[in-house]
Amino acid sequence: DIQMTQSPSFLSASVGDRVTINCKASQNINKYLNWYQQKLGEDPKLLIYNTNNLQTGIPSRFSGTGSGTDYTLNISSLQSEDVATYFCLQGSSRPLTFGSGTKLEIK
Amino acid sequence: EVKLQQSGDELVRPGASVKMSCKASGYTFTDYAMHWVKQSPGQGLEWIGAIIPLIDTTNYNQKFKGKATLTADKSSNTAYMELSRLTSEDSAVYYCARYNSGYYFDYWGQGVMVTVSS
Repeated sequence: DIQMTQSPSFLSASVGDRVTINCKASQNINKYLNWYQQKLGEDPKLLIYNTNNLQTGIPSRFSGTGSGTDYTLNISSLQSEDVATYFCLQGSSRPLTFGSGTKLEIK
Repeated sequence: EVKLQQSGDELVRPGASVKMSCKASGYTFTDYAMHWVKQSPGQGLEWIGAIIPLIDTTNYNQKFKGKATLTADKSSNTAYMELSRLTSEDSAVYYCARYNSGYYFDYWGQGVMVTVSS
């Protein structure tokens, strides 16, 4: 199974800050890396698919980069509505596996 | 509008089984695989398995073989997951999610909270 190591587990930042969240795969996942946002009590929402493709309707302040085993979600200017838990999902091979999540808070 | 409507929360006894549903609307049910995901405080998010409704083919995470059984009813556009021999370790929120052929989940249900308690 591919292990996904996500960091940090917790992040506190100010409105307007640039935020970076990382996922590292235990082997090459060929850019099949997806990012989700989950607000408290809600179902996950797809933000970025296959490393750097912005899902329809998602604000452009969200972006993704990466290749091989290392992937990053960036929020260019943090907004108050971005408070949520973010997690990654690798779609390269079965079983599909998730990162452990990053809880993002406003400072 | 794509929507995955899951059945209600469940309180079940240890050793019992539970069957939950996921009704799809807003798209052609047989065009997409349906996956199931477990979310628990202790284990985070875990992929359970998937079903391709068009051909009734299933694929399970080895960890959930014997625990979860996935089925689908094309006539009602509904996917089902049955969990058997429940223990406290099965207490979690269970989601269905539509799998886009581009290797990601694009829509999720609202989740079913299963509580296993005597």
